[in-house]
Amino acid sequence: AQSVTQLGSHVSVSEGALVLLRCNYSSSVPPYLFWYVQYPNQGLQLLLKYTTGATLVKGINGFEAEFKKSETSFHLTKPSAHMSDAAEYFCAVSERGAQKLVFGQGTRLTINP
Amino acid sequence: GAVVSQHPSRVICKSGTSVKIECRSLDFQATTMFWYRQFPKKSLMLMATSNEGSKATYEQGVEKDKFLINHASLTLSTLTVTSAHPEDSSFYICSAGTGGEGGYGYTFGSGTRLTVV
Repeated sequence: AQSVTQLGSHVSVSEGALVLLRCNYSSSVPPYLFWYVQYPNQGLQLLLKYTTGATLVKGINGFEAEFKKSETSFHLTKPSAHMSDAAEYFCAVSERGAQKLVFGQGTRLTINP
Repeated sequence: GAVVSQHPSRVICKSGTSVKIECRSLDFQATTMFWYRQFPKKSLMLMATSNEGSKATYEQGVEKDKFLINHASLTLSTLTVTSAHPEDSSFYICSAGTGGEGGYGYTFGSGTRLTVV
């Protein structure tokens, strides 16, 4: 069975600082990996996804993530935080060929001015 | 890109009544729709998976008679919360599975905040 662990339910960084949100997964088959962002009372917006190919994936709003199979990780980074990045972030995994998406617990990102 | 329209965005109902939530795929055909429930400050919990024209598959612990899912067409899936009670109050989100270039993906609706009083 698949599972996702996001380390840190709450991350706080200063505006302009590096953002690092951690995600580790377990899957019996090569997974598809996703990062989503959720603003209050809204649905989820896809930031980026890894399915195959290049392990460094670039997404929207300056975010990127690297798939590291040996570490079973898919950490999300952004070089310079902006106030508008404050939101809830979810890492998710699905098995290739299957369709169910399993979410991590979420990480609330706060940006300090 | 793919858009999923979810309505209503917010609904308040009396205990014992039923509420229907709709999700429409606007510019694509969604053969598979996923329904999630999200508690405050919590992650998304998959409730069920529905495929067009067939019965929904419910996750363990989800009452199929309470949360009725209908996926009668490739562009519309509905979730009906029957005989709602205050403990059913939650944020419900639908997601359509989308295939194509770049691998399988998911497009989410904007969510429905259900409050049962």
